[in-house]
Amino acid sequence: QQQVKQSPQSLIVQKGGISIINCAYENTAFDYFPWYQQFPGKGPALLIAIRPDVSEKKEGRFTISFNKSAKQFSLHIMDSQPGDSATYFCAASRNTGGFKTIFGAGTRLFVKA
Amino acid sequence: DGGITQSPKYLFRKEGQNVTLSCEQNLNHDAMYWYRQDPGQGLRLIYYSQIVNDFQKGDIAEGYSVSREKKESFPLTVTSAQKNPTAFYLCASRDRMTEKLFFGSGTQLSVL
Repeated sequence: QQQVKQSPQSLIVQKGGISIINCAYENTAFDYFPWYQQFPGKGPALLIAIRPDVSEKKEGRFTISFNKSAKQFSLHIMDSQPGDSATYFCAASRNTGGFKTIFGAGTRLFVKA
Repeated sequence: DGGITQSPKYLFRKEGQNVTLSCEQNLNHDAMYWYRQDPGQGLRLIYYSQIVNDFQKGDIAEGYSVSREKKESFPLTVTSAQKNPTAFYLCASRDRMTEKLFFGSGTQLSVL
């Protein structure tokens, strides 16, 4: 019930291509779905987040698509750049019970120049 | 320069030794968290604190202890009971209004 399943584990994309990372959750009580970006040796940083009352959110080259009925959400990185090479984590949380955030296992993205 | 400061960046533990990881924040956030990150895995919650003088166990609290005597500080002690302590440890605080987590740069703990 508390898991967030993320795929793929790793992803190689050509520069200028689209990177797509998928996540699925089980607990329908989750009400906040962020994506974090992490570079080696650093802490994760919030990239973009969505709430379940909208189906899509776009910020620059980054888009979250949210499917409430399927309990799935995905991150799309348009025009992927070598500087986007990092590990991406999806997450889910709810505003009760200490507001614990549950993270997916992460996706290592490598963008080839 | 606001944010989360973790120290040290690298730490080595000897057999049977307790070690303490420091986490300080100047963001005025009430809630703070400790996560453990192992290679190829997601972040797993060790302990969290929603307010000063209060904290709760996360999913993998065994072998760890925390204190929250000040709003700004949330140190984590890795005790000798933690048999597999080698990992990257991340501290975070949460903005109550935006629900955003702010992370420190982490501490890499290794066993000698």
